[in-house]
Amino acid sequence: NAGVTQTPKFQVLKTGQSMTLQCAQDMNHNSMYWYRQDPGMGLRLIYYSASEGTTDKGEVPNGYNVSRLNKREFSLRLESAAPSQTSVYFCASSEMGKLSGNTIYFGEGSWLTVV
Amino acid sequence: GEDVEQSLFLSVREGDSSVINCTYTDSSSTYLYWYKQEPGAGLQLLTYIFSNMDMKQDQRLTVLLNKKDKHLSLRIADTQTGDSAIYFCAESNTDKLIFGTGTRLQVFP
Repeated sequence: NAGVTQTPKFQVLKTGQSMTLQCAQDMNHNSMYWYRQDPGMGLRLIYYSASEGTTDKGEVPNGYNVSRLNKREFSLRLESAAPSQTSVYFCASSEMGKLSGNTIYFGEGSWLTVV
Repeated sequence: GEDVEQSLFLSVREGDSSVINCTYTDSSSTYLYWYKQEPGAGLQLLTYIFSNMDMKQDQRLTVLLNKKDKHLSLRIADTQTGDSAIYFCAESNTDKLIFGTGTRLQVFP
């Protein structure tokens, strides 16, 4: 029962470094999402992918790129990390490209610090 | 655009009821959700309500939806220390969720 798996769980980067957050789901879901969580701001959508081969910008896409490698995997890349990207990142997936009441699942989060 | 708002903090005594409130702006929201986040963990779906309902009860949880006022609430009966967490309201009408800022519930003995 893996569900949504994210790696790494913790990462410290220097300003200007690049890195990729990996996410995989084993539930055969069509849609996948990347959110960031900051104190007092809730979760904000960075990018999402409604189906394999498609990606769309969310609320805060600047400074990020994504890749929907296949149906299972959706990666988030920071090309040149900035301190403002220090956050907790959550990957999520849902069924059929359209959310219903009980089919969105979250990973456990990736804590990223940019110094 | 869509916006979801919640108060940031709520403090209650163990055994009392907790009521966490949420307002949203998107009148075409299809589903509204409550998620719970414990420290250092991801988000866990607690319950949800379809927009054509006005109430849903699930054990100690009661969700009330006032669609006219775009107001959603979560009532937790007999609040326990294990209920201490951040509670997020979220809404959707297509294929993505919009979250509120989260309400931190603190339960004291």
